[in-house]
Amino acid sequence: NAGVTQTPKFQVLKTGQSMTLQCAQDMNHEYMSWYRQDPGMGLRLIHYSVGAGITDQGEVPNGYNVSRSTTEDFPLRLLSAAPSQTSVYFCASSYSGGANVLTFGAGSRLTVL
Amino acid sequence: AQSVTQLDSQVPVFEEAPVELRCNYSSSVSVYLFWYVQYPNQGLQLLLKYLSGSTLVKGINGFEAEFNKSQTSFHLRKPSVHISDTAEYFCAVSVRSSASKIIFGSGTRLSIRP
Repeated sequence: NAGVTQTPKFQVLKTGQSMTLQCAQDMNHEYMSWYRQDPGMGLRLIHYSVGAGITDQGEVPNGYNVSRSTTEDFPLRLLSAAPSQTSVYFCASSYSGGANVLTFGAGSRLTVL
Repeated sequence: AQSVTQLDSQVPVFEEAPVELRCNYSSSVSVYLFWYVQYPNQGLQLLLKYLSGSTLVKGINGFEAEFNKSQTSFHLRKPSVHISDTAEYFCAVSVRSSASKIIFGSGTRLSIRP
């Protein structure tokens, strides 16, 4: 099993550019989420989804869009990148939220110049 | 909305010494609580979780945590640490719902001195 797969692992953008971070899971998990990790800030929830067609905002949603057209995929879109979005991004999934343990991807390191 | 506070950003300890990493949560409803660990240059993995029942929870690698509802705390402990425990530790909380989001704390970096 591949688990949670994130692409790309590294990306450098210029301010104002757009890009999509991809996340795919092969465990038939209903719950998927995106976090950003910054030094001293821990992991902050950006957006999450409890099933195909359903998404909701987390703690820091501004500047990011998501969609969930299939159970397997949960892409994160940056429409106009800003230096403040320089971070490590983690996708995580579980059978449902709540009591279920999250399975994390390996992370995507994004630098915005 | 739920939130979690990790009171120490860094904890240095000597090898074979005991350690406690502190976590407090805030929620108006009952919660599930978790500790995750991130080893250097790796993703996060579960250390232990509290769902219900006994308030003392045992996890992997000799770690344990105690749920204290009156203190709204879920502190992580290990009686004797090893160099390999060097990592960042994250406390996380979700409310008792089948589809609740999971919120993480700011993390505690545990550094072990030989």
